[in-house]
Formats: sequence, C-alpha cells, structure tokens
Amino acid sequence: DGGITQSPKYLFRKEGQNVTLSCEQNLNHDAMYWYRQDPGQGLRLIYYSQIVNDFQKGDIAEGYSVSREKKESFPLTVTSAQKNPTAFYLCASSILRAAGANVLTFGAGSRLTVL
Amino acid sequence: AQSVTQLDSQVPVFEEAPVELRCNYSSSVSVYLFWYVQYPNQGLQLLLKYLSGSTLVKGINGFEAEFNKSQTSFHLRKPSVHISDTAEYFCAVSDAGDDYKLSFGAGTTVTVRA
Repeated sequence: DGGITQSPKYLFRKEGQNVTLSCEQNLNHDAMYWYRQDPGQGLRLIYYSQIVNDFQKGDIAEGYSVSREKKESFPLTVTSAQKNPTAFYLCASSILRAAGANVLTFGAGSRLTVL
Repeated sequence: AQSVTQLDSQVPVFEEAPVELRCNYSSSVSVYLFWYVQYPNQGLQLLLKYLSGSTLVKGINGFEAEFNKSQTSFHLRKPSVHISDTAEYFCAVSDAGDDYKLSFGAGTTVTVRA
C-alpha cells in the first residue's frame, strides 16, 4: 500500500544535539511538507518542497534544515539552534495540480523529546 | 495567509447525540477548506473538503460540513456520534491562488461518552 513512512516514531535528544527525522513516501507525490504540532496550537509549517533539489521556508523555519535529493525523501534536521524542539512532527505530501487544491496526505508522525 | 479559528477547544458529547464543530477563517477571497481528524499519536486523516460547487459537503464516517461564504465559516457536523469518533479535529484553509500553504486551526478535541 502506498503511504508516508516517518521514523523514528519516538526520539529523545540531549540539549545541543542535532537530530534528523526521516520521511519517505511511495505515492509518487511531487510536493512534501514538514509541520510541527504543539498542544493547543494546531499545525505550523516548517518547510515545504515542490520539486527535487528545491525547498521553501514555512512559517517557523528557524532552527530547522531540510534536503530534497530524491522525490520520495524529505528529511528534517532539528538543529541545536532550535530553542524549543520538543514537539510532534508531521510529514505530508501532495500531488501538484495545475488547477484545484493540493490535498495533503500525512505520515503517522515523530515525537521528539529534548531531555 | 489565512487565519483559522476553531471556536471550541474541547467538546464533550454523549454517544448517539449530534455534534457540531465550529470553524471560521479570516478572508473572503476564494478558498479551499478542509477538515482533518487525528487519533492519538497518529497523523491526520482527511474527513472532507470543499473546493467549489455545493456548499454542503459530505465526508467519511457520516460527517458533513457547510461552507458559508458570507460568514467565512465551515462548520463540521455529525447527527449521531460513536465512541470511535473520540479524536482531535482540525479545520484547515488555503487560498485558491496559493494552495501550497495550508493554515490550520488549533484543533477541537471531541470526547464521546457512553
């Protein structure tokens, strides 16, 4: 079955360490996205990519980095510069349409806890 | 970018009772509207979407939503809930001209009790 795989599901990190969250999709979707979810705040866009080797900052990109070397992969690195990294991170993907909405498909998420 | 307000953060409801979750957005320009559901420690699943056409949209699991352009609202309803509907529900909006960026509300937690 096609879908989005995020790993690891749970991750613990010490302060000052970088950590990379994996996101892989086999839906042949063009666009991929990273969202951060905090209780009571909904989802906030970190980065998105519409095409390989290109990506754009979302609303809260500071302290994060991404790469898009392959169409199916969009890893997110949470750097030590991110002041409050403990959160639930969601990866999503969509087909890019010339007209009409891009409907997002989500992965199951990765929960990062900084100790 | 759109601003999305979900007016209720918590909605307790008894099994087989109706439920309505309210969502308002900031702009009256042409928009696409979505409701997603999230079960604990899982990703989001699309319940329904409004792109154009009929203002009453039917989705999965017996949910429906009504788009009201003049009130910039997109309220979600279900006439009779089940225990399995206990989850968090998110309203999301994108501008039709910039639909790569989806703005989400803060979420409404629905707890269904027997």
